[in-house]
Amino acid sequence: EVQLLESGGGLVQPGGSLRLSCAASGFTFSIYAMSWVRQTPGKGLEWVSTVGGHGDDTYYADSVKGRFTISRDNSNNTVFLQMNSLRAEDTAVYYCRNSGEDYWGQGTLVTVSS
Amino acid sequence: QSVLTQPPSVSAAPGQKVTISCSGSSSNIGNNYVSWYQHLPGTAPKVLINENNKRPSGIPDRFSASKSGTSATLGITGLQTGDEADYYCGTWDNSLSADVFGGGTKLTVL
Repeated sequence: EVQLLESGGGLVQPGGSLRLSCAASGFTFSIYAMSWVRQTPGKGLEWVSTVGGHGDDTYYADSVKGRFTISRDNSNNTVFLQMNSLRAEDTAVYYCRNSGEDYWGQGTLVTVSS
Repeated sequence: QSVLTQPPSVSAAPGQKVTISCSGSSSNIGNNYVSWYQHLPGTAPKVLINENNKRPSGIPDRFSASKSGTSATLGITGLQTGDEADYYCGTWDNSLSADVFGGGTKLTVL
């Protein structure tokens, strides 16, 4: 059974940092690109970032470029999203996604507020 | 402003049929596969359709989809109250080098 389990969300002040993790199981992790997609309150889904299977290729939405960093640990089947200089508009539920097979996690809530 | 355009809401009575449109451009829908998702708050988005019109295992044939040019359409027949959810289209955009989604359509089963 495929599982994507996100963690690391929480309440953070503007300008602060958080690191999200997504533990994957049930598929051959290293051969798939992995992504983070977020849903902001009252809005739709927004792609945030993608990392290739080997971790060398990374892609970012303009809204997070220079502030967020995606990475992966294939030995532990985990993908990360380091979020720095957080803003109120980053408040969202962040979903981990297997981009190839389109599996999604349950999401973790990030709230940026003072 | 989402790259793909969907109606904000649709509604129909139980047992009836509804369609949800998704409009894009040649850089996204026009040259890439479209997927459709059902989403309830607090849960993982559920893939209803992939590769324009294919239903993953376990998705009932009440759900169907098509694509023509730069637009796609999701159809749901035999509506049930359990179908009330937000529905999203998604695809890859060659110009943006990014996954793109519609703004979502809220389905109400009256």
